[in-house]
Amino acid sequence: SAVISQKPSRDICQRGTSLTIQCQVDSQVTMMFWYRQQPGQSLTLIATANQGSEATYESGFVIDKFPISRPNLTFSTLTVSNMSPEDSSIYLCSVPKGNYGYTFGSGTRLTVV
Amino acid sequence: QKEVEQNSGPLSVPEGAIASLNCTYSDRVSQSFFWYRQYSGKSPELIMSIYSNGDKEDGRFTAQLNKASQYVSLLIRDSQPSDSATYLCAVNMKGRDDKIIFGKGTRLHILP
Repeated sequence: SAVISQKPSRDICQRGTSLTIQCQVDSQVTMMFWYRQQPGQSLTLIATANQGSEATYESGFVIDKFPISRPNLTFSTLTVSNMSPEDSSIYLCSVPKGNYGYTFGSGTRLTVV
Repeated sequence: QKEVEQNSGPLSVPEGAIASLNCTYSDRVSQSFFWYRQYSGKSPELIMSIYSNGDKEDGRFTAQLNKASQYVSLLIRDSQPSDSATYLCAVNMKGRDDKIIFGKGTRLHILP
């Protein structure tokens, strides 16, 4: 199954700034998914990133706030823009694991102060 | 109705007993169902997947699926303190880019 390297693992950022999170997969995958997990909550899908096309965002998430890049089949970035304390969360990327669900990166713990 | 529903718990189970975790889903055409375990501060870890009605066993874990009732459950036999975690039910939404939607998770606490 695919192995995902996600970074940074954590960061503390000033409000109004932006943070870019990277995920590198050790094999080619068509789809990558970005999730957010707010404190004490479950995972919420932000967007689906397909290589060569625009990301598809879920209700409540917009490209201006969470721009995504997918330059090739092994890499994707998620940027959290113009951050506020409400953006403090864990952000996770994931990829399909064959027919056996999805595997996740180790997560990025973001604190906005 | 939420797409994937679970009781948030906490569910407390004595060590050695059977822990039973339940999940319902709203999309009748869903085909794939997953149980993830998440320890505090860690990423979710896939522990079971099930695709057909009935039971699927893997070690101490048994997943049960009833598509007619839109219900999936996870049984953990001989519960151990190391099983204490949050268990997330996830459903693959076919026809929606194959994405997985998660329930809110059930916190399980195994009492030594």
